[in-house]
Amino acid sequence: EDQVTQSPEALRLQEGESSSLNCSYTVSGLRGLFWYRQDPGKGPEFLFTLYSAGEEKEKERLKATLTKKESFLHITAPKPEDSATYLCAVLNAGNNRKLIWGLGTSLAVNP
Amino acid sequence: NAGVTQTPKFQVLKTGQSMTLQCAQDMNHNSMYWYRQDPGMGLRLIYYSASEGTTDKGEVPNGYNVSRLNKREFSLRLESAAPSQTSVYFCASSEVFTYGYTFGSGTRLTVV
Repeated sequence: EDQVTQSPEALRLQEGESSSLNCSYTVSGLRGLFWYRQDPGKGPEFLFTLYSAGEEKEKERLKATLTKKESFLHITAPKPEDSATYLCAVLNAGNNRKLIWGLGTSLAVNP
Repeated sequence: NAGVTQTPKFQVLKTGQSMTLQCAQDMNHNSMYWYRQDPGMGLRLIYYSASEGTTDKGEVPNGYNVSRLNKREFSLRLESAAPSQTSVYFCASSEVFTYGYTFGSGTRLTVV
């Protein structure tokens, strides 16, 4: 069964303390892996798409990487404004158009 | 630069009432989606429209209907609301389904 698991469920960091969020997936064939950020009371905001193992993408303090089994979202020197829930989703190569979503990692960055 | 606009933002319904959630996008995207988000369940796809004139069921379509009115607009209708439909509803769009989605700000629906 296709599945996406994110860990940890919650993470609390001090400002400037770098860390990584994990998204592990089990699908019959990967067509794309997506990272989103969601602030309380708002819709998810698209961050990155990764299409093949070895691919990396960066945006400000965020860097996403992809292997055949998992993706990492690395956060370098985070700031309080990076506090949010980070969602991972996978598009199965064999599936029609339905993303498989993880439950997210809730990140809190203390000043 | 509106992106995806959803109305209303909040709604309280009584069991058995009907309502339509409206969604419009101004990015000329082909695909549009309706999701619901519940604590501990994550985002679940209700219906989607791959292109103007087509609609398909997602994971949790029971109790809902949709209409892709034109390329810009995709509405979600609850014909007879039930307490189990209390949720936050998000509309999203994408140029093609392999690209990232743009989400609206959501509708918080409570059915009493």
